[in-house]
Amino acid sequence: KAGVTQTPRYLIKTRGQQVTLSCSPISGHRSVSWYQQTPGQGLQFLFEYFSETQRNKGNFPGRFSGRQFSNSRSEMNVSTLELGDSALYLCASSGGRSIYEQYFGPGTRLTVT
Amino acid sequence: SQELEQSPQSLIVQEGKNLTINCTSSKTLYGLYWYKQKYGEGLIFLMMLQKGGEEKSHEKITAKLDEKKQQSSLHITASQPSHAGIYLCGASPLQGAQKLVFGQGTRLTINP
Repeated sequence: KAGVTQTPRYLIKTRGQQVTLSCSPISGHRSVSWYQQTPGQGLQFLFEYFSETQRNKGNFPGRFSGRQFSNSRSEMNVSTLELGDSALYLCASSGGRSIYEQYFGPGTRLTVT
Repeated sequence: SQELEQSPQSLIVQEGKNLTINCTSSKTLYGLYWYKQKYGEGLIFLMMLQKGGEEKSHEKITAKLDEKKQQSSLHITASQPSHAGIYLCGASPLQGAQKLVFGQGTRLTINP
């Protein structure tokens, strides 16, 4: 079974721009969660989607948004990028035989200049 | 909010030695996860523990969750260079929620 895939793997954007990241979960998984990892704050939960609905949300500003499609693929959007948004963005999927086990993708490294 | 404390923050061991990493919370842990991460890459799922007193093993790695579900340990037996990386514990603050909080990580170096 293929693992969680994320595209693109690397991205460089300028302050003020917006960006969209994509995540394809493991086949059969219906839950997709997004996390931000930075050296200063570590791994922080952004939001979780299940069956196209946001089920949980972390403490991030409204510039961070997401959505999930009927095939469980998910996108995350960050508008009006700030330098502090530079981070590794990870998505995780769950919902297989062991429904709570979360499997992570390789991440998208976003650099904001 | 729930915080997870990992200790030690970094660990250097000789190849072949055993080691233990700890993860502690002041609150009950619902679903304790252990992951391994190579620098700048995604997290590799190791194990998930849910019940107090639960213990799981995979190859040379054993994870335990204490009876109170507030502390977990990860033990590696006869360490190998392939065990090097950053180990992260994560836990859900709510039972059944897919919203994990993570410890700060333990950087493990294996010297040959």
